[in-house]
Amino acid sequence: AQSVTQLGSHVSVSEGALVLLRCNYSSSVPPYLFWYVQYPNQGLQLLLKYTTGATLVKGINGFEAEFKKSETSFHLTKPSAHMSDAAEYFCAVSYNQGGKLIFGQGTELSVKP
Amino acid sequence: DSGVTQTPKHLITATGQRVTLRCSPRSGDLSVYWYQQSLDQGLQFLIQYYNGEERAKGNILERFSAQQFPDLHSELNLSSLELGDSALYFCASSVRGQGETGANVLTFGAGSRLTVL
Repeated sequence: AQSVTQLGSHVSVSEGALVLLRCNYSSSVPPYLFWYVQYPNQGLQLLLKYTTGATLVKGINGFEAEFKKSETSFHLTKPSAHMSDAAEYFCAVSYNQGGKLIFGQGTELSVKP
Repeated sequence: DSGVTQTPKHLITATGQRVTLRCSPRSGDLSVYWYQQSLDQGLQFLIQYYNGEERAKGNILERFSAQQFPDLHSELNLSSLELGDSALYFCASSVRGQGETGANVLTFGAGSRLTVL
């Protein structure tokens, strides 16, 4: 079955530190890949997506992710964390089967002053 | 504002009752998706409609049903409610539907929080 695994349900970093949120997918066919962010009491907002082409994808708010087919990974990074980055982050995949997204369990990011 | 409107924002009801959640998709979007978010199950796909027709079904209970109307708004009906149905229910919409090529970007509403007492 197609699935998405996010390593670490909680990640805590200091303000200004590197943010690294991990995501691995299980499939022999490269899917479309997404990162969404959910701020408290809000819906999910698209951060970035990978479709085809360049494997390093830049998103909003300084985030980027790199698609590595050999590792079936799509990790999310940001060079310098801000307090406003505290939220829950979801990795998702789509295999063009009805277009639905399959989400990982989410990683809650905390940013310490 | 994402353009996807969900009502009500909050709903408190009792076990055994029935509720209806409503979703208006973003202008121009033909697909509507329903997801359930709970602490133990995470984000679970329930069902998708495209231009009025059911296109994909996920982990939706038989007590739950949905439909998409000619004006493209959708309703999710939850009946014989149990305590475990308490969750945040999200609606999302997209331009694409099943079988169309290209990445399908979903735009989410703010959710409807259901509490069953």
